[in-house]
Amino acid sequence: GESVGLHLPTLSVQEGDNSIINCAYSNSASDYFIWYKQESGKGPQFIIDIRSNMDKRQGQRVTVLLNKTVKHLSLQIAATQPGDSAVYFCAENANSGGYQKVTFGTGTKLQVIP
Amino acid sequence: GAVVSQHPSRVICKSGTSVKIECRSLDFQATTMFWYRQFPKKSLMLMATSNEGSKATYEQGVEKDKFLINHASLTLSTLTVTSAHPEDSSFYICSVRGGADTQYFGPGTRLTVL
Repeated sequence: GESVGLHLPTLSVQEGDNSIINCAYSNSASDYFIWYKQESGKGPQFIIDIRSNMDKRQGQRVTVLLNKTVKHLSLQIAATQPGDSAVYFCAENANSGGYQKVTFGTGTKLQVIP
Repeated sequence: GAVVSQHPSRVICKSGTSVKIECRSLDFQATTMFWYRQFPKKSLMLMATSNEGSKATYEQGVEKDKFLINHASLTLSTLTVTSAHPEDSSFYICSVRGGADTQYFGPGTRLTVL
């Protein structure tokens, strides 16, 4: 079936450096993509989203890039802080059987080194 | 975004008993809620889509008689794990679909079946 996957399961970054988390998706019908942050023992927290008619979107310290040609999504975190340490999931949204369905990737653990 | 709560946050039960988990949308009227389960160090897996006033839509491989979902109002959906067994131990997370297809997640419920 369709799937969303990540290249790196764990990413260690020095505090203050920029982080880049990558994600590959396979459903060409997906039209909406979301990045979530999940801290240990908590539910996912929305970070940023992007629709398929865009290739870049910026938020506060975060940027999402979408490359539909190669079905690739990335999350860039500027000036990474210890509080950014968490697991990050990309998710894709597509119409499935008449309703919208979100499929999550496998997750990348971001470790920020003080 | 929408504020979502879950109750209880943690529950421990004996094998064979049933457990009810509540998901509440505190500031948003949700016609659609979602239920996910997450095993340790794994991604979120969609179990079912909960529709207010109608039957839930279950994902392939999820037993509807095992995981009973009731969405009786626009602010409350419940998931009942019937005749729970140790393999049902997991982190159960609900979400609410907000505007623009974004999902907002609850804090999760940790179920441990002895």
